[in-house]
This record gives sequence, structure tokens and C-alpha cells, in this order.
Amino acid sequence: DAGVIQSPRHEVTEMGQEVTLRCKPISGHDYLFWYRQTMMRGLELLIYFNNNVPIDDSGMPEDRFSAKMPNASFSTLKIQPSEPRDSAVYFCASRRTGLTEAFFGQGTRLTVV
Amino acid sequence: KNQVEQSPQSLIILEGKNCTLQCNYTVSPFSNLRWYKQDTGRGPVSLTIMTFSENTKSNGRYTATLDADTKQSSLHITASQLSDSASYICVVRDQTGANNLFFGTGTRLTVIP
Repeated sequence: DAGVIQSPRHEVTEMGQEVTLRCKPISGHDYLFWYRQTMMRGLELLIYFNNNVPIDDSGMPEDRFSAKMPNASFSTLKIQPSEPRDSAVYFCASRRTGLTEAFFGQGTRLTVV
Repeated sequence: KNQVEQSPQSLIILEGKNCTLQCNYTVSPFSNLRWYKQDTGRGPVSLTIMTFSENTKSNGRYTATLDADTKQSSLHITASQLSDSASYICVVRDQTGANNLFFGTGTRLTVIP
């Protein structure tokens, strides 16, 4: 298996623009997580899905952030409109029920200028 | 309040030397503690996982310890190599939900020749 796949690896956008980050979890994994990582705050959970259903979105900072999981093999995290303080590395992770380890993608480094 | 604190924030050591990273947590009720290694530009990768009953666990040159009474864990790296340069993140899971993970902000280790 290729692991969790995220795209793009890097994104630079202007303030106010819409940004969409994409994630393909490991096949067979029924949990999918979106995290944000910054130097100041480390890794923070934004939202997670179980069987494509959002379970906990309490970490989503504002209404500008939204996430979807239309099927078991694809999820998106959208920021609209983006702001400079959204600049961070966004990680997607997945795991299978019964296992405690979540596997991370390589992240998307977002820079909003 | 559930927290995970790591020290030192950053560390520079000579190749071949040993080092120890610390993690203190207040998460309760405790389920397990995992150490992740995160190479620059990559997602975190699990090194070890420890449950309440485990005191020591090794993974090659990495040895993790856990004292559940004092709520402290350490990660000891023996005979460091240049490839050990990375961030090491301590993550504690509680028993109250599917994804109650508490992340430390990590220790940035740099091994120099």
C-alpha cells in the first residue's frame, strides 16, 4: 500500500482565495483525521471521520474551514476565504478500527500571503 | 486539564552520543503513550507504544520508558546517527473516546557530525 496520500505537497495562495487540500486514506481504514501543525501549537486535531461520517469537528477553527468525505477513499479540507494565519502544515491520517496506530500522510504545507 | 509537555524543546548532540527526551503528561484516564518521529517535510511515524502496564520498550536504538505513577515517559536514543535528526512527538491517548489524543509540541533533535 502506498500509505496515506495527500495533495498538493505545497500550496501558496493569496489571502482571500479558496484552498482545497486532498487526502486518500489507506485502503480498508475506516477512520480519517485532519490535523494542523504549527511551530507554536504543534499538532492539533481539526476533524475526524468514521465510515465517511464526521464525528468530531470541534477542532475546526472557524466557519471558513470545512471538510468532506464523499467516499471511503477520498477526503477534502477546504478553507474559504484563506487568511495568513492559516499558514501551517496540514496532515491527514487514517487508521483501522481495532488498531491504535494512525498512519500519517506527508502533509500539505500551506502558505497564505 | 489534559496536557502533554515535552523537554527539551530542542537538542543538538554529536553523532555517536546518547540522549534522552522527556515527556510529562496529565492525561487521565490514561490508555497509552506513543512516541512519534517526524522527519523534516514528512508526516509523523510511530516508534513505540506503551500501555499502563509497560515500563520499558525498545525499538532498535530507541528505548522508551513509562512511569504511570509519576506520569512521565522518556525516549532514550543510543549511539545517535545523523538520520536521527528529526522532531520527536509524545502522544497520549485517554480512555474516553475514539480519538482523544493529546499531543506534545515535540523535541527537535539535531545530530551533528
